[in-house]
Order: sequence, then C-alpha cells, then structure tokens
Amino acid sequence: DAGVIQSPRHEVTEMGQEVTLRCKPISGHDYLFWYRQTMMRGLELLIYFNNNVPIDDSGMPEDRFSAKMPNASFSTLKIQPSEPRDSAVYFCASTDDTMNTEAFFGQGTRLTVV
Amino acid sequence: DQQVKQNSPSLSVQEGRISILNCDYTNSMFDYFLWYKKYPAEGPTFLISISSIKDKNEDGRFTVFLNKSAKHLSLHIVPSQPGDSAVYFCAFNQAGTALIFGKGTTLSVSS
Repeated sequence: DAGVIQSPRHEVTEMGQEVTLRCKPISGHDYLFWYRQTMMRGLELLIYFNNNVPIDDSGMPEDRFSAKMPNASFSTLKIQPSEPRDSAVYFCASTDDTMNTEAFFGQGTRLTVV
Repeated sequence: DQQVKQNSPSLSVQEGRISILNCDYTNSMFDYFLWYKKYPAEGPTFLISISSIKDKNEDGRFTVFLNKSAKHLSLHIVPSQPGDSAVYFCAFNQAGTALIFGKGTTLSVSS
C-alpha cells in the first residue's frame, strides 16, 4: 500500500481565498483524522471520522473550517475564507485499529496564507 | 487546557549517550501511551507504545517508561545516534478515540 496520500504538498494562497486539502487513507482503514501542526500548539486534532461519519469535530477552530468524507477512500478539509493565521502544516492520518493505538500519517500539506 | 505537556522544547545529546524525553499528562483515563518521531517534511511515524497496565516496554534501543501515579511518561534512547535527531511527540488516547499529542521535543544528537 502507498500509505496515506495527501495533496497538495504545498499550497500558497491569498487571504480570503478558499483552500481545499485532500486525503486518501490507507485502504481498509476505517478511522481518518485531520491534525494541524504549528509551533505554538504542536499537533492538534481538528476532526476525526469513523466509517465516513464525523465523530468529533470539537477541534475545528471556526466555522471557516469544514471537513467531509464522502466515501471510504477520500476526505477533504476546506477553509473558506482563509486567513494568515491558518498557515500551518495539515496532516491526515488513518488507522484500522479500533483501539487507536497507532495511526499512520501522510506527509502533510504545508499551507501558507499571505 | 492541555492534557499533555512536553515541557522541554529541545534536547541536545552526544552520540553514544542516553537521550531521555519526558511527557506529563493530566487525564487518568488514558489507555495507551505512545511516542512518535517526525523528520522534517515528513509525517510523524509511530515509534513505541505502552498500555496503561504496564510500566515499561522495550524495543531495541528504545524504552518507554510509564509512571501512572506521577502521570509521567518517558522515552529513553540508548545509545543515541545522529539519525535519531528528529522531533519526538508523546501521544495518548482512550479506546475508540483519537490520539492527543504533546507539542513535541526536538532532539539533536551530535557526533
């Protein structure tokens, strides 16, 4: 398996624009997580899905952020409108372990909002 | 409030010596405790874990210690190697929930 695949790897956008980050989890994994990494806050959980259903979105910072998982092999994280403080590295991770003892991460999307 | 604290942002160690990374937590309901390692421009990768019913787990040069009474987790790397230079995150979870990560500690191992 190719692992968790995220696209794009880098995104530079202007403030106010819509940004969509994409993730393909490992086949057969039924949990999918979105994390954000910043210097100040480290790795923080934004939202996670189980069997395509959002379970906990309490980490989503504002209504400007939304996430979907239309099927088992694809998820998106959208920011609309984007702001400079959204600049960070966004990671997607997946696991098939119901105890969530280990999650497999993608390489991340580095987002810069100018 | 932070449930997980890695109070040392960075650690520098000489090759061959022991590296000790520490993590404190507040939630006594955590079931599993993990360490992840992250190189620049890559995603975090799983390193080692321990369940709440144990106090030590070893895997080669890596040993994780859990002190439940002190709510303290540590990772020992012996001997340290330059390739161990990375950011180390401690992570915790309860069964069926998502991993909660610390802010990370940057380890630098010099030769």
